Amino acid sequence: SQQGEEDPQALSIQEGENATMNCSYKTSINNLQWYRQNSGRGLVHLILIRSNEREKHSGRLRVTLDTSKKSSSLLITASRAADTASYFCALQKSGYSTLTFGKGTMLLVSP
Amino acid sequence: GAGVSQSPSNKVTEKGKDVELRCDPISGHTALYWYRQSLGQGLEFLIYFQGNSAPDKSGLPSDRFSAERTGGSVSTLTIQRTQQEDSAVYLCASSFGLADPYEQYFGPGTRLTVT
Repeated sequence: SQQGEEDPQALSIQEGENATMNCSYKTSINNLQWYRQNSGRGLVHLILIRSNEREKHSGRLRVTLDTSKKSSSLLITASRAADTASYFCALQKSGYSTLTFGKGTMLLVSP
Repeated sequence: GAGVSQSPSNKVTEKGKDVELRCDPISGHTALYWYRQSLGQGLEFLIYFQGNSAPDKSGLPSDRFSAERTGGSVSTLTIQRTQQEDSAVYLCASSFGLADPYEQYFGPGTRLTVT
């Protein structure tokens, strides 16, 4: 598909557990980004990984990118109830200026 | 500094009426984007501006939709003769430019309900 596809569509875990979300795509990309959305309103940028990078960390977030498999994963360690949100991957495709967003993974972290 | 702002935050309108949605990007951001998000769905790209120019309008759902940007700053998205299927959250984002890589900063959105 032209957009990233997140997997799973929904994820429910307990506080303290790790949450892993995946994004698969089919086009060539310049970079891949992850965004978080609370309560169906504005999105917040979490992390960007370039096509020549394999892994990046930001606080409790770890993102990996495998361009040979055209997939990325977002790991949230030691999850908190405040991490409850929808998470989207966004692709900046080669030759394009704009981002293409997937449909998101809805994460629920229970206390 | 101030983030991206959008107004109104909520808009309820009757079918057939025109609506105008406003976006104030972050100062200095040359690129501005409009998206639409239906309930429980992902983001549907509508249009982007580089300065005041919109190079690609193919994402607009129909000719009832139009957008403009003046002074390289504020943008308005206009929907004429609204239909019920136009009900959605309309999100605006801005970025420093279009050069790779960049991140987009989003506004809180306008929730449009067409009755």
